[in-house]
Formats: sequence, structure tokens, C-alpha cells
Amino acid sequence: QLQLQESGPGLVKPSETLSLTCAVSGDSVSSSSYYWGWIRQPPGKGLEWIASVYYSGRTYYNPSLESRVSISVDTSKNQFSLKLSSVAAADTAVYFCAVFPAVGTPVFDSWGLGTQVTVSS
Amino acid sequence: EIVMTQSPATLSVSPGERATLSCRASQSVSINLAWYQQKPGQAPRVLIYGASTRATGIPARFSGSGSGTEFTLTISSLQSEDFAIYYCQQYTNWPPGYTFGQGTKLEIK
Repeated sequence: QLQLQESGPGLVKPSETLSLTCAVSGDSVSSSSYYWGWIRQPPGKGLEWIASVYYSGRTYYNPSLESRVSISVDTSKNQFSLKLSSVAAADTAVYFCAVFPAVGTPVFDSWGLGTQVTVSS
Repeated sequence: EIVMTQSPATLSVSPGERATLSCRASQSVSINLAWYQQKPGQAPRVLIYGASTRATGIPARFSGSGSGTEFTLTISSLQSEDFAIYYCQQYTNWPPGYTFGQGTKLEIK
């Protein structure tokens, strides 16, 4: 069974770049069976899909964030990562990494526990 | 972008009663619709996909219906563990992306 664990700084200054990592266990990020992704949840608000990546490196981004976001896979460490540049207070949220199957229905069926990121000086 | 609108924002129901949650899409998503449950401090978990198919391990009291732009999640007899926030999500335009509804909070009456 897949297990995902997010990590990264809990506090980021405005205008800086947020970097998060999701460690994967139970399978390989090189597997063609999955898409890997990030979703965030601002305090007291709903869910927002940020980006997804396939093992091949093919990436998909939320159009509203595309100019600031980058997602990638690191096969050597069996993890995938998110970078969000020029952050502002509105980027304060719990960030989840999640996965969905490459074949079948593209719904997120495994999630990490989430990591709180606060943007503040 | 397809906008998903959920109603009501908050639903108060007594344990043992039926709860009906709605989700509307700004344009047709066929049956490419999922429902998630989120409890405080936890990640969401998928309940329903394909508008009406229960995910593995989800109790039969959860059912989904609808197609096109109107969808419903019904919980037939509420248990204490069902009080949570529920989100719908469309995936009809994957790739490249998805959109979630803003959520319905199901609370104990």
C-alpha cells in the first residue's frame, strides 16, 4: 500500500519560493501506474488542486498557479517535489501530496497527512 | 474552467436520519464526478467516483447519483463518524486538471 509523507519549511517569507517534498513508500515514483500530485487547503477553506506529474516527467498545472509552480519527480530518492515561487499570504495553506492511478478513474485515492505552510515575514 | 457549486454550505442532521448533499457543475461533466469526505485534521478520502461507484471499503449507506451538471450524495442513516466535510470533484477535463467544490459541512443536529 502506498504511503506518502510531506516535508518542508513551515514558514516562508513573502516573495520567496516555497519548496515541498513528498516521500513515497510502498512503490516507486518511476512506476507507470500512478500520477503524483499536490493539493492545498487554505485555513477554513476548500481544496485546490495545484499540479500533477507522471513518471515520465510530463507535468500538469492549475492554470491559476501555472506561472509560479513547478512539480518534478526525483527517482533517486523516490520522492516528488513542488516549488511555488513569489509566495504571498494567500498561499498559506495545508499542502497535501496525493496519488491517483494512471489507468482507470483519475481520483486521488492515497494522500499524505498534509503539511502546514505559513507565509509571513 | 468548470466551477463546482455545493449546497448547502452547512447541513444539520440527526444521527440515524438521511442526509442529502448536492453538487452542481457549471457545464456538463458527464459522470466524471467524485465525492470525498474530510474529517478535522485529516486528509480527504474518496467515497464515490464515476458519480455512483463506491470506493473500496466505503459502507453501503453512502450512495451517489446524477450526471451532466447535477449530482447528489446521500447518506442513508447517519452514523456519528459521518459528521465531516464533503467535497465533490470533477475530473472530466483531466488532463489537464480538476476542480473541487467548496464543500458541505455535515453537522450533528
